[in-house]
Amino acid sequence: SQQGEEDPQALSIQEGENATMNCSYKTSINNLQWYRQNSGRGLVHLILIRSNEREKHSGRLRVTLDTSKKSSSLLITASRAADTASYFCATVVQGGSEKLVFGKGTKLTVNP
Amino acid sequence: GAGVSQSPRYKVAKRGQDVALRCDPISGHVSLFWYQQALGQGPEFLTYFQNEAQLDKSGLPSDRFFAERPEGSVSTLKIQRTQQEDSAVYLCAEGPGVNTGELFFGEGSRLTVL
Repeated sequence: SQQGEEDPQALSIQEGENATMNCSYKTSINNLQWYRQNSGRGLVHLILIRSNEREKHSGRLRVTLDTSKKSSSLLITASRAADTASYFCATVVQGGSEKLVFGKGTKLTVNP
Repeated sequence: GAGVSQSPRYKVAKRGQDVALRCDPISGHVSLFWYQQALGQGPEFLTYFQNEAQLDKSGLPSDRFFAERPEGSVSTLKIQRTQQEDSAVYLCAEGPGVNTGELFFGEGSRLTVL
């Protein structure tokens, strides 16, 4: 079963535009993480935000977390063609085991 | 840096064959995870080790799936009597623990069952 759901499922934008992906989850969490996956490759960790944090930045990435709405968003600013990939949110359920539970992902295409 | 080596990268098996997928963590992290990823889907949790102890195997789809990590380092995921629905990418990840940090993933083993 998957705890998180990303929205939209697919997103196509032009280089230079911003890309926003959303993630909703169902149960209380310890932290929420975003990962990126290029086609045919493994996942790469982007950013971790803890349940007591509301916003976090890393380079061109900005992540927000709203625990009252059980949702998070990932913003990529000034997108590049190299940002083309699938993006997944993953949650660590509060009080659960150590497992990280992934959503189905958003497939982002950045057109040059 | 961190890294996970998985082998084989690609495996084609005939239905009914047994397969073994290997995960060789490089950085010696305590936690090791196996995930199954079907085409176009997110990774689904299979099982988790802390050192050699298998602490959670709730995601293993059937008793045909078995994972071990006997010395707390290299791990093997074994699938017996493979079925077509087992076709997927099997991802291994290591990390210090998801409550403390990120997971480092391998490139995966793509299994195709004919």
